[in-house]
Amino acid sequence: ETGVTQTPRHLVMGMTNKKSLKCEQHLGHNAMYWYKQSAKKPLELMFVYNFKEQTENNSVPSRFSPECPNSSHLFLHLHTLQPEDSALYLCASSQAQTGTYEQYFGPGTRLTVT
Amino acid sequence: GENVEQHPSTLSVQEGDSAVIKCTYSDSASNYFPWYKQELGKRPQLIIDIRSNVGEKKDQRIAVTLNKTAKHFSLHITETQPEDSAVYFCACGGSQGNLIFGKGTKLSVKP
Repeated sequence: ETGVTQTPRHLVMGMTNKKSLKCEQHLGHNAMYWYKQSAKKPLELMFVYNFKEQTENNSVPSRFSPECPNSSHLFLHLHTLQPEDSALYLCASSQAQTGTYEQYFGPGTRLTVT
Repeated sequence: GENVEQHPSTLSVQEGDSAVIKCTYSDSASNYFPWYKQELGKRPQLIIDIRSNVGEKKDQRIAVTLNKTAKHFSLHITETQPEDSAVYFCACGGSQGNLIFGKGTKLSVKP
């Protein structure tokens, strides 16, 4: 499936590093999402962008910084992370006009913070 | 905000038996209820969804029922097969377009 792609698929970083996760959707959608999936709290919504505008930030620490330059691309910039930030980070997109629509997920980035 | 409770957290059934997973929600404004299946190491994928103007929807061996009054909805899988083994997530969506997910149910189908 190539509708929503994410890179890198795996990332190991130290607590002082700066890295970025990338998501790209090829479905013509106008909304994109970042989720964190860990064993303790599956599928936590982190950020939402509608028409490139951030519409939701679910109390995410500032060490996570999203960027949405256009409706097809979404980034998650990471800096000074903690070991508890190790998780699977999933990107999703949907065609959100009025109401809620199906979200398509990317394969995720498995992040390990050492 | 919306709160979604999903039960059970784990479910083991014999091949050929039925499996039922239930979710309850708190926000009466929710109007979209999808179910996602996530196999080990793979992305969540939508398997069936229902909107608040419908009480039941069926697609081959899977069905979803919705009780708006009681604010709960259920996933039913009949004639389970080993390839149905996965984690299943329910979710609720409203007018703003965001989905709130349940914590997932790990389904194991034993051959």
